[in-house]
Amino acid sequence: DGGITQSPKYLFRKEGQNVTLSCEQNLNHDAMYWYRQDPGQGLRLIYYSQIVNDFQKGDIAEGYSVSREKKESFPLTVTSAQKNPTAFYLCASSIRRGGTDTQYFGPGTRLTVL
Amino acid sequence: DAKTTQPPSMDCAEGRAANLPCNHSTISGNEYVYWYRQIHSQGPQYIIHGLKNNETNEMASLIITEDRKSSTLILPHATLRDTAVYYCIVSRMGSARQLTFGSGTQLTVLP
Repeated sequence: DGGITQSPKYLFRKEGQNVTLSCEQNLNHDAMYWYRQDPGQGLRLIYYSQIVNDFQKGDIAEGYSVSREKKESFPLTVTSAQKNPTAFYLCASSIRRGGTDTQYFGPGTRLTVL
Repeated sequence: DAKTTQPPSMDCAEGRAANLPCNHSTISGNEYVYWYRQIHSQGPQYIIHGLKNNETNEMASLIITEDRKSSTLILPHATLRDTAVYYCIVSRMGSARQLTFGSGTQLTVLP
């Protein structure tokens, strides 16, 4: 089955620790994205990548880092510099069809900082 | 990207059609209308998108008014599993861009 996988589903970390969230896609999509969702709010873009070895900051990149060494993978590291890391993190990928990109989302990782 | 306005909540009886409206009066000629839904604690699910013509797929139909200032998502036979928050998004999808999710419409399908 083609799709986007995120692991783990739930993640707990102690304050001051870095943690890496995994995102893998086997859809052969070029672009990948990381969003953050807080309770009762919409999605906010953290980082996105249009091609391998290239990525751009979104609206709330401070305290986060990413890499794009392979087309299929776009891991997100939440560093200790992120002041309020507890949130629901969503990875997405997209492909251009008919002049427009359609984004597809993974199941999400819920991060809780203790 | 143009802003959208949706009712905060709607109910629908199981088996009936659910019609979810969206206003996007400031939409530009090169902006698409996208619909996603999100079931609690899951990732958003793509439903359908369109530019100016009506569209239909296996999940839903999208009706866009002639002036493109509003649209309606139609779920023809709603089931309990269609209970979710539905988001109408207007975006100029020419390259990798952020999707701006508003507050959406909480659709509750009643048995």
